[in-house]
Amino acid sequence: DAKTTQPPSMDCAEGRAANLPCNHSTISGNEYVYWYRQIHSQGPQYIIHGLKNNETNEMASLIITEDRKSSTLILPHATLRDTAVYYCIVYQAGTALIFGKGTTLSVSS
Amino acid sequence: ETGVTQTPRHLVMGMTNKKSLKCEQHLGHNAMYWYKQSAKKPLELMFVYSLEERVENNSVPSRFSPECPNSSHLFLHLHTLQPEDSALYLCASSQEVVMGQPQHFGDGTRLSIL
Repeated sequence: DAKTTQPPSMDCAEGRAANLPCNHSTISGNEYVYWYRQIHSQGPQYIIHGLKNNETNEMASLIITEDRKSSTLILPHATLRDTAVYYCIVYQAGTALIFGKGTTLSVSS
Repeated sequence: ETGVTQTPRHLVMGMTNKKSLKCEQHLGHNAMYWYKQSAKKPLELMFVYSLEERVENNSVPSRFSPECPNSSHLFLHLHTLQPEDSALYLCASSQEVVMGQPQHFGDGTRLSIL
């Protein structure tokens, strides 16, 4: 079972920041937080990951709370092409990425 | 362009047919994975290969047979499949099979069993 909880859906206006929350209250000290997204009819796309520090790359920023029990993915200027299902994943020991139901983000003009 | 290419993109086959799915990665990665994504269900890990050796088999029926001839190529051989095997089959790769390594996915093969 997925160890994360995400809202099923969110809306965002084009050009605004999209802030996607994720709860992972049972995360262990050596488990990473990963974010992927899946656009319809494509495979999941890696976005960003972190352990305890905030991270930023060309796609997004990841803010992890100090107690590591929750995190937020930030898309700074959402576009229509960012409409997708976003998955927050706690990478468990071993090799499997356990995908939950994710958050469907709808970006509109 | 993710660096992971899967062929074919779509496949329709009968339950008695034999077919193969192909995955190729151009990222220089050492680990490759097969996942299954059924409608309304989360991704399920099927197989993991590290340096051409299978390191994980997630209780997958024997009608699915993986093959990894080298670190860039991964196949999934299919025979006598069932209608419930209709799904999106995704291939992924990562630098190594360790925690903290992001996996890069192909766009999948949409398989329909008649």
